[in-house]
Amino acid sequence: AQSVTQPDIHITVSEGASLELRCNYSYGATPYLFWYVQSPGQGLQLLLKYFSGDTLVQGIKGFEAEFKRSQSSFNLRKPSVHWSDAAEYFCAVGVPNFGNEKLTFGTGTRLTIIP
Amino acid sequence: DAGVTQSPTHLIKTRGQQVTLRCSPKSGHDTVSWYQQALGQGPQFIFQYYEEEERQRGNFPDRFSGHQFPNYSSELNVNALLLGDSALYLCASTVGRSGNTIYFGEGSWLTVV
Repeated sequence: AQSVTQPDIHITVSEGASLELRCNYSYGATPYLFWYVQSPGQGLQLLLKYFSGDTLVQGIKGFEAEFKRSQSSFNLRKPSVHWSDAAEYFCAVGVPNFGNEKLTFGTGTRLTIIP
Repeated sequence: DAGVTQSPTHLIKTRGQQVTLRCSPKSGHDTVSWYQQALGQGPQFIFQYYEEEERQRGNFPDRFSGHQFPNYSSELNVNALLLGDSALYLCASTVGRSGNTIYFGEGSWLTVV
């Protein structure tokens, strides 16, 4: 079965600084990969996704992620964070299954932004 | 275009009671999945419905059941509620073909006392 590891429980970054959130997955082939963001008390908003093709994926709000097959990683990056980026970030894996995909989530990384 | 909508937003139930949560998928979506997110955890897959049938199920007891209606909306039912069922219940929808984006609703907060 697939699994996702987000090794950083909590990250604090200064506003304007760069950000990288780590995500490692376990699966025998190439899965579908997602990053979602969750503000307090809210649902999940999709930031970006990787299905196939170009390994560098651009998302909303200035985020990008790079799929590295050799490292089984899908790290999320942003060159300059804004105070509004403070939230919980979840990496998720979906096993391609002809439209039957279910997502396996990591435990999340809480991002705090300091002025 | 409305996204995934869920109701109710918040509810409080007593141990042993039953609860029904509702979900309307995003327009054009025919596949609905339910996830449970305990406090401080990532969402966990409960089950998925397509064409009014449960297509796959996660590691949840039979107390958790669901239904999908002809208009693709869905219900999640939980019987004999336990304190540990307190969580945010998220509904997700997509088009039932591989490689499509999965969209989530805002969730229903269930507190069991």
